[in-house]
Amino acid sequence: GENVEQHPSTLSVQEGDSAVIKCTYSDSASNYFPWYKQELGKGPQLIIDIRSNVGEKKDQRIAVTLNKTAKHFSLHITETQPEDSAVYFCAAPKRDTGNQFYFGTGTSLTVIP
Amino acid sequence: DSGVTQTPKHLITATGQRVTLRCSPRSGDLSVYWYQQSLDQGLQFLIQYYNGEERAKGNILERFSAQQFPDLHSELNLSSLELGDSALYFCASSVTGGPGNTIYFGEGSWLTVV
Repeated sequence: GENVEQHPSTLSVQEGDSAVIKCTYSDSASNYFPWYKQELGKGPQLIIDIRSNVGEKKDQRIAVTLNKTAKHFSLHITETQPEDSAVYFCAAPKRDTGNQFYFGTGTSLTVIP
Repeated sequence: DSGVTQTPKHLITATGQRVTLRCSPRSGDLSVYWYQQSLDQGLQFLIQYYNGEERAKGNILERFSAQQFPDLHSELNLSSLELGDSALYFCASSVTGGPGNTIYFGEGSWLTVV
């Protein structure tokens, strides 16, 4: 069925290193892919998104790449900082009524000072 | 701060009871969504409203119901509560209700059923 797979489930990096989280989707018609960051006890916060008419989007230390042929998209965080430690979720649209999304299962990122 | 407001932040209630969770969308947003987040199920879509009308329904139990009022705030009603209903309930909103709209989440309501 249509869903989103996210890897890895946990990721530990040294401060200053890069972190990469990957998601795959199954519906080739999907055209919008947001990424959310969720800190402990808080709601998911949109950090970056990409639409299918571009292959990459950057916002300071965060970037998202999209490979439509392979149906996967990735979140890249460079120069990681301890405050980047959180759970990150990817999402892809569900082809159905309204504006539904499939969410990945989340990646718990720990940045070690 | 996303601009989506949810109350209460925490709620503890007994099995069999009924609770109401409230949400105010971001200013200007016409669509609201309810999601449930539990450890074993991740983020699960429950229901979406657009300008007062139900737009999409997900994995929402029959014991749960929701509505969006003329002032665009929304309420999620959970009844005959069971232990398994303990979870974080998020409200989100978007400008319109169509596909590809960015959704913004509130801080959530943490429900504990004892």
